[in-house]
Amino acid sequence: QVTLKESGPVLVKPTETLTLTCTVSGVSLSNPGMGVSWIRQPPGKALEWLAHSFPYGEKSYSTSLESRLSISRDTSKSQVVLSMTNMDPVDTATYYCVRIFRRLGELSTSYYMDVWGKGTTVTVSS
Amino acid sequence: QSVLTQPPSASGAPGQRVTISCSGRTSNIGSNTVSWYQQLPGTAPKLLIQGNNQRPSGVPDRFFGSKSGTSASLAISGLQSEDEADYYCAAWDDSLNGPVFGGGTKLTVL
Repeated sequence: QVTLKESGPVLVKPTETLTLTCTVSGVSLSNPGMGVSWIRQPPGKALEWLAHSFPYGEKSYSTSLESRLSISRDTSKSQVVLSMTNMDPVDTATYYCVRIFRRLGELSTSYYMDVWGKGTTVTVSS
Repeated sequence: QSVLTQPPSASGAPGQRVTISCSGRTSNIGSNTVSWYQQLPGTAPKLLIQGNNQRPSGVPDRFFGSKSGTSASLAISGLQSEDEADYYCAAWDDSLNGPVFGGGTKLTVL
């Protein structure tokens, strides 16, 4: 059974850098196609994709947040880490770590999130 | 503001059928497959439909997904009280090079 668990600070101050860790169990991060995304959800609002990481160093970021985000993976620890700089109160949200399924077809891409962590709530306040 | 457009709310009585729409563009729904997620109150989202109309193991066949052009729909038949949740659609966007979500639809079972 594949599980993902988020960990990190509950409270960060404005302008600080947020670092979140996703610990993956039940599957190796080095498996081909083992993609992991970070998705967030502000209170009462919709889901927002932040970044994803695949094996062999493939990474991608939300265009609106790219300058503030960094994603990395440590296969030996089975962890995927997301950093977000210059935190602001509008970044207050629940942050989810999810496993991705992706199939790149000639004409169509199938991309979905099939296993979700429980999420970790981060509040940005001084 | 979400890239995919969903109605903010939907409702139906127990046993009825309800449909939730999801509208996008050629770069997302028009070109790629759609997935749907159910988020029960206070919990993480759960995959409900992938590949436009494929139900993962364990998802009841009361949930049906479809896609036509740049729009998709989620139909729920035989509505039950436990279906009361927020529902989100999503698809890969070729222009943004990332997945995009709808704004979510809050389903109320009357």
